[in-house]
Amino acid sequence: DAGVIQSPRHEVTEMGQEVTLRCKPISGHDYLFWYRQTMMRGLELLIYFNNNVPIDDSGMPEDRFSAKMPNASFSTLKIQPSEPRDSAVYFCASTTSSSYEQYFGPGTRLTVT
Amino acid sequence: AQSVTQLDSQVPVFEEAPVELRCNYSSSVSVYLFWYVQYPNQGLQLLLKYLSGSTLVESINGFEAEFNKSQTSFHLRKPSVHISDTAEYFCAVASTGNTGKLIFGQGTTLQVKP
Repeated sequence: DAGVIQSPRHEVTEMGQEVTLRCKPISGHDYLFWYRQTMMRGLELLIYFNNNVPIDDSGMPEDRFSAKMPNASFSTLKIQPSEPRDSAVYFCASTTSSSYEQYFGPGTRLTVT
Repeated sequence: AQSVTQLDSQVPVFEEAPVELRCNYSSSVSVYLFWYVQYPNQGLQLLLKYLSGSTLVESINGFEAEFNKSQTSFHLRKPSVHISDTAEYFCAVASTGNTGKLIFGQGTTLQVKP
């Protein structure tokens, strides 16, 4: 298996622009997680899905952030409008309902100028 | 609610010396425990896990961790570190009744010096 795939790996955008991050989980995994990592706040869980349904979005910082999972093999995290404080590395991870081991993607490094 | 505390943000150590990275957790229910490692510019990778059985668990690259229920700890140890062990290490906990979600500690940066 190719593992969790994220795109793009790097994104540089200007403040106010819309940003869309993409994730393809490991085939057969029914849980998908979005995390944000910064030096100041460490690793934060933003939202997670089970069978494509959002279960807990309490970590989403504000209404500018939204996430979707239209099918079992694809999820997006959108920021609109983006702000410099959104600069971070965003990770996607997946797992199965029979395992607690999460498999992480390589991350998307977002820089908002 | 559950929480994880990693007691050291940075641990500098010389190559071939032993190391211990400390992790304490808080939970009112039974838990599963994990250590993840993050090498520079990469995602997190599972290092080892405790689900049940023997309280001492080992990884393939010489790390071990011991689940201590009375002290609510899951410290990570290695008797002799290598330069290549330089990375950030995260302790995480999941409750047995809350499938999927992990609570991560703040991370400990292990800096191995030659």
